[in-house]
Amino acid sequence: AQTVTQSQPEMSVQEAETVTLSCTYDTSESDYYLFWYKQPPSRQMILVIRQEAYKQQNATENRFSVNFQKAAKSFSLKISDSQLGDAAMYFCALKTSYDKVIFGPGTSLSVIP
Amino acid sequence: GAVVSQHPSWVICKSGTSVKIECRSLDFQATTMFWYRQFPKQSLMLMATSNEGSKATYEQGVEKDKFLINHASLTLSTLTVTSAHPEDSSFYICSAPGTGRLNTEAFFGQGTRLTVV
Repeated sequence: AQTVTQSQPEMSVQEAETVTLSCTYDTSESDYYLFWYKQPPSRQMILVIRQEAYKQQNATENRFSVNFQKAAKSFSLKISDSQLGDAAMYFCALKTSYDKVIFGPGTSLSVIP
Repeated sequence: GAVVSQHPSWVICKSGTSVKIECRSLDFQATTMFWYRQFPKQSLMLMATSNEGSKATYEQGVEKDKFLINHASLTLSTLTVTSAHPEDSSFYICSAPGTGRLNTEAFFGQGTRLTVV
């Protein structure tokens, strides 16, 4: 079975500062993908960043980067230069070869002006 | 490319009635689609996998007779909540895996807010 855990139900960050959201996962598969999704109040799921498990290099997407530690099954998201528009729910997610996407419980991020 | 459209965005129905939610892949074909349910302030919980041309696969604890899934074509899956009760009120989201160079991603519909009164 696949599981995704996010240990921080809520986080806050000052505008322009950096925040890191934590995620750990478990899967017995060797081929999988990890994602961070953002869900604003509209509830539309927005892909923030993606990491292929076979790639050692950490993914980066503008102000968003990940720290992927495969052996530790850890996949944290770092948001640099936080903006007010970054405030949302953030879900860590795991996709295996069966295309199912399993989500973590989420972290609610607040950005303080 | 890879747009998933869900309809309706919200629906209110009376207890005991059935309601159908549609999920369409607009610019790609999806042999598989997934249905999730999300309660307020909670995560997305996978309910079932919709398979074109065959029966849906339900996750443990999901009543298949209550949540009827039909994958009518390569671009349409429907979720029918039968004999709805207030506890079925929730946010329902569908997704489809991308194809081609997008096959590592999942694409989500806008979601449907169901309220049973």
